[in-house]
Amino acid sequence: AQSVTQPDIHITVSEGASLELRCNYSYGATPYLFWYVQSPGQGLQLLLKYFSGDTLVQGIKGFEAEFKRSQSSFNLRKPSVHWSDAAEYFCAVGATGFQKLVFGTGTRLLVSP
Amino acid sequence: KAGVTQTPRYLIKTRGQQVTLSCSPISGHRSVSWYQQTPGQGLQFLFEYFSETQRNKGNFPGRFSGRQFSNSRSEMNVSTLELGDSALYLCASSLAGGSADTQYFGPGTRLTVL
Repeated sequence: AQSVTQPDIHITVSEGASLELRCNYSYGATPYLFWYVQSPGQGLQLLLKYFSGDTLVQGIKGFEAEFKRSQSSFNLRKPSVHWSDAAEYFCAVGATGFQKLVFGTGTRLLVSP
Repeated sequence: KAGVTQTPRYLIKTRGQQVTLSCSPISGHRSVSWYQQTPGQGLQFLFEYFSETQRNKGNFPGRFSGRQFSNSRSEMNVSTLELGDSALYLCASSLAGGSADTQYFGPGTRLTVL
């Protein structure tokens, strides 16, 4: 069965600084990987996804993620954080043949002025 | 194109009651999935419907059920509510329900059980 680990529960970053959110997955085959963001009281918005091909994936709002098979990781990055990026970020893995997503526990991003 | 809509947005029920939540997918999407989000358990998959058939089911008791209509709209029902059912229930739709399909989430229904 697949699983996702997001080791950081909270991260605080200064506005304008770079950001990296960690995600490790466990899945026997090539995974489908996703990053979603959730603002308070809202649903989940897709930031980016990886299915195959280029291991560096570009998403919305200036986010990117890199798939590293050797490390079973799919870390999310942004070169310069804005105050509006404060939210909770979820990494998820999908399995071949199933629509079900397995989510990590999320990382709450705080942006300090 | 309108996004996924969920009604109602907020619900307060008491233990033992039952509740029905509704989800309207993005136009043209045929797959609808439901997730439960709680502080303790995080986001957990409930079930997925495609063309009015349940294709996948998560590890939840039989009190949780759902259905999908011919227009792809979906409902989920929770019977005999327990305090632990208090959660944000999220609905997601995708085009064809393939594992590579992107799921688009609605804003959720916040259920509080007293």
